[in-house]
Amino acid sequence: KAGVTQTPRYLIKTRGQQVTLSCSPISGHRSVSWYQQTPGQGLQFLFEYFSETQRNKGNFPGRFSGRQFSNSRSEMNVSTLELGDSALYLCASGTGAGANVLTFGAGSRLTVL
Amino acid sequence: AQTVTQSQPEMSVQEAETVTLSCTYDTSESDYYLFWYKQPPSRQMILVIRQEAYKQQNATENRFSVNFQKAAKSFSLKISDSQLGDAAMYFCAYTGANSKLTFGKGITLSVRP
Repeated sequence: KAGVTQTPRYLIKTRGQQVTLSCSPISGHRSVSWYQQTPGQGLQFLFEYFSETQRNKGNFPGRFSGRQFSNSRSEMNVSTLELGDSALYLCASGTGAGANVLTFGAGSRLTVL
Repeated sequence: AQTVTQSQPEMSVQEAETVTLSCTYDTSESDYYLFWYKQPPSRQMILVIRQEAYKQQNATENRFSVNFQKAAKSFSLKISDSQLGDAAMYFCAYTGANSKLTFGKGITLSVRP
């Protein structure tokens, strides 16, 4: 059973640019969540999608957005990048029900110069 | 809002010994789940163990067990017979009705050969 796949694994951008990260969940999982991990702030919840609808949203500015497709794959987009957006972005998939135990991907490491 | 506190930033254990990682949380919800995740240097977040709040029995997964004290809102992880491969960052996490994970700051565990 394939795990959660995130692409790209590493990327470097400059301030002001935008970036799109992709996440393919485990087959059969309908929930996809995104987390930002930084040394200073730790792990912070960005948003969760379930059946193509945003079900939860964290406290991030509107520059951070996401979507989910009918095949449950998800993308997150960050526009007008700032230096502080440098982070490891983790995607996790789950069934979306009950404990909704999450399985994480390996992450996308974004560096903003 | 729910909070998760891991007050120890680092711990060290001798190989084959037992170590306990502490975690406290705060919530007004009655139905929730608690987790311990492991993040090795590879950055892949791995679920170690989970506990349903309504279950009085402490969860156990091989060498890993928890001490869940619901009234005290405490959720510690005990690792028995520590192995070199246990060296990683460990995160305590909470999820309730809104299905998002709230993480603690994490603790870095080193294992001495």
